Amino acid sequence: DGGITQSPKYLFRKEGQNVTLSCEQNLNHDAMYWYRQDPGQGLRLIYYSQIVNDFQKGDIAEGYSVSREKKESFPLTVTSAQKNPTAFYLCASSATAYTEAFFGQGTRLTVV
Amino acid sequence: GESVGLHLPTLSVQEGDNSIINCAYSNSASDYFIWYKQESGKGPQFIIDIRSNMDKRQGQRVTVLLNKTVKHLSLQIAATQPGDSAVYFCAENGVGGSYIPTFGRGTSLIVHP
Repeated sequence: DGGITQSPKYLFRKEGQNVTLSCEQNLNHDAMYWYRQDPGQGLRLIYYSQIVNDFQKGDIAEGYSVSREKKESFPLTVTSAQKNPTAFYLCASSATAYTEAFFGQGTRLTVV
Repeated sequence: GESVGLHLPTLSVQEGDNSIINCAYSNSASDYFIWYKQESGKGPQFIIDIRSNMDKRQGQRVTVLLNKTVKHLSLQIAATQPGDSAVYFCAENGVGGSYIPTFGRGTSLIVHP
């Protein structure tokens, strides 16, 4: 089945550690995105990529990094520079500007 | 900056009633709008979309209305069911060919049996 897969579902990070969230899609979509969602809030854009080997910062990129070495994969690293990383992270992909985005099931990151 | 927003953060309805969720957008150049449903602990799921050259689009039990004059979007759910309880987001993209979906804060729909 085609879809977008995020892993892990739950992730715990110690203070000062970097962690990487995985996002893989087999939909052959060019565009991929990372959003952050805090409780009771909407989705805020962290990074996006419209093509392999290219990506741009979104509204809240500080403390995060990404790579897009393959069309299928768009991993997000939450660095120690991100002071408040506890949140629900959502990865999405879309084929064009005029088709819907498909979302993964999310990764809930907690700092311990 | 320009943004997509929602009028009501929470909407409570009785099972069987019709629900209307509203969304205001401020970017007059937006030309593609999407409604998503997000259940607790899950990623958003596509419900229905509409292009700016349309005023209305219907799906199964859902209708999206677009009023470009006042930059307003609404989602109507007929005969609301308990399974419709979720957070609903509107999103806009397509501005200048942009891929990037921009989301509002969301409306929590609570359906009482």
